[in-house]
Amino acid sequence: DTGVSQDPRHKITKRGQNVTFRCDPISEHNRLYWYRQTLGQGPEFLTYFQNEAQLEKSRLLSDRFSAERPKGSFSTLEIQRTEQGDSAMYLCASSLASVISYNEQFFGPGTRLTVL
Amino acid sequence: GESVGLHLPTLSVQEGDNSIINCAYSNSASDYFIWYKQESGKGPQFIIDIRSNMDKRQGQRVTVLLNKTVKHLSLQIAATQPGDSAVYFCAETPRSGGSYIPTFGRGTSLIVHP
Repeated sequence: DTGVSQDPRHKITKRGQNVTFRCDPISEHNRLYWYRQTLGQGPEFLTYFQNEAQLEKSRLLSDRFSAERPKGSFSTLEIQRTEQGDSAMYLCASSLASVISYNEQFFGPGTRLTVL
Repeated sequence: GESVGLHLPTLSVQEGDNSIINCAYSNSASDYFIWYKQESGKGPQFIIDIRSNMDKRQGQRVTVLLNKTVKHLSLQIAATQPGDSAVYFCAETPRSGGSYIPTFGRGTSLIVHP
């Protein structure tokens, strides 16, 4: 257990429905990241926050995806009008910010989304 | 031996053998290179990292080698144990704004036979 938790662990939904995932990072970590991972591939970066500010978004993040971190603690990732291609594992990670070095990211267990 | 499976390259070793997992990266401007281990049903777990100004770094039972000339990274695991069975990802981190965002490679599945 890394200290990063995600909820739910599994979500099955029908195409066209909206889904929301939650991530609780390690409490003292000010950076929070979202990734998507499909079978056999490495995680792909989606977006990250420093405190409550969303600092970067990947081109992978379509308009149907939105992420928030309202109080700089937990974060939510919402997917609107889900498509079958959204089926993947959604991973959250947290770290302490540094502008001079890489700081280890601690990953949660992920939320596996299946869109029928 | 090493083979390319349907989904992931796979490395099968006997318990106690040394394992070498290889990775090619693409961005010569990357500052850090990282190895992650991912067990089934879990998120990736950090193993070791190396900065671009180094060519070797050792941890507990693991060694990472970096060859910037040919953009190659390797992870050596000494005395491999069944608990080392997992998918291993290398990641490179080009600096983006004020953060290092890892770009992950495809992954190699390590299977350790008792």
